[in-house]
Amino acid sequence: DTGVSQDPRHKITKRGQNVTFRCDPISEHNRLYWYRQTLGQGPEFLTYFQNEAQLEKSRLLSDRFSAERPKGSFSTLEIQRTEQGDSAMYLCASSFGGNTEAFFGQGTRLTVV
Amino acid sequence: KQEVTQIPAALSVPEGENLVLNCSFTDSAIYNLQWFRQDPGKGLTSLLLIQSSQREQTSGRLNASLDKSSGRSTLYIAASQPGDSATYLCAVRGARGGADGLTFGKGTHLIIQP
Repeated sequence: DTGVSQDPRHKITKRGQNVTFRCDPISEHNRLYWYRQTLGQGPEFLTYFQNEAQLEKSRLLSDRFSAERPKGSFSTLEIQRTEQGDSAMYLCASSFGGNTEAFFGQGTRLTVV
Repeated sequence: KQEVTQIPAALSVPEGENLVLNCSFTDSAIYNLQWFRQDPGKGLTSLLLIQSSQREQTSGRLNASLDKSSGRSTLYIAASQPGDSATYLCAVRGARGGADGLTFGKGTHLIIQP
């Protein structure tokens, strides 16, 4: 297993377009997390899944954001009607259970122009 | 609401020095604390995980300590090398009901001068 994988690595989109990112966690990990990181800041929690169930959403996750993990394996994060303020690095992490080491992917850098 | 602070925000030292990065958190009800390294434009690499019942963890030249009651952790880097240059992030997983994700500090930007 090569760790947490995210695709694409970079995405440039025009304001108002929809974008979708994919995350493939470490295969035996049942928990999957999404974070957002802006320049000079630490990552901020967006949402997490335990298997296929989305158990928590941050107040940062507006109604333009939706995340799925349909079979408890990979996850997608969709942003509808993108805004310039959505420009950030979107990071995915996975872990086995809630009290173990979290492993992060390389992130997807989103630029909204 | 949990808040994590990292001091200093930036640090530049000559190669070979031992150094200490500091992390403090406001709510001592945590499950664990994790230190990460982040290279520019990249994701996070896990360095050390300390459970709330532990006092320290070591990996190679890195040693992390945890004083949960005072809300503090330190990351000690021995014999620093230019390859250690990166941003170091501290994160805690809270034990109170609600947010299960990690709460991060803003990081310490470390430069090791050759």
